[in-house]
Amino acid sequence: NAGVTQTPKFRVLKTGQSMTLLCAQDMNHEYMYWYRQDPGMGLRLIHYSVGEGTTAKGEVPDGYNVSRLKKQNFLLGLESAAPSQTSVYFCASDTSVPEYEQYFGPGTRLTVT
Amino acid sequence: RKEVEQDPGPFNVPEGATVAFNCTYSNSASQSFFWYRQDCRKEPKLLMSVYSSGNEDGRFTAQLNRASQYISLLIRDSKLSDSATYLCVVNMEGNFNKFYFGSGTKLNVKP
Repeated sequence: NAGVTQTPKFRVLKTGQSMTLLCAQDMNHEYMYWYRQDPGMGLRLIHYSVGEGTTAKGEVPDGYNVSRLKKQNFLLGLESAAPSQTSVYFCASDTSVPEYEQYFGPGTRLTVT
Repeated sequence: RKEVEQDPGPFNVPEGATVAFNCTYSNSASQSFFWYRQDCRKEPKLLMSVYSSGNEDGRFTAQLNRASQYISLLIRDSKLSDSATYLCVVNMEGNFNKFYFGSGTKLNVKP
């Protein structure tokens, strides 16, 4: 049982390049989330999904797109990277029952130069 | 105004000390409350949920004050391994589980 995994762990991009971050979970969770964490800001929700084939915007969605074609996978895309997108990105998943513990992946450290 | 506010610290305490953190939240409709722990360069992990009546897990005690809209975490007999950042998390039920994270309080336990 791997929990939540993310690839890649590290990436350096140049301004204007594109990339996709992959999140996978093996807990059969319905809900999945993408957050970014910046110093002093806490985790901020980028996009989320409440089930296969559904996605919605969170608090800071601009510059990102997502897809959830399979229940276990949630992809985060950056079409044209900007230095402001330098951050640590965490994927999380949880169930739709009370208690709502979120399980996080190990994070992706992205630097945009 | 941030949904969840925490003192960033750091709190520097000796081993064996008792330390307490507070967290305030702005939305009275908040339903669920949690403390997460985040080690340096790692992902957040659930430390404990916070229940209305208060709850304890070993050396850790969490309290909720709905009237004043704050949550507290008390750590007794601090260990070196308690050094981490503690995130206060608040959830508002709706169509999905929307969590609001505080920016965290850093704890350094010294020998």
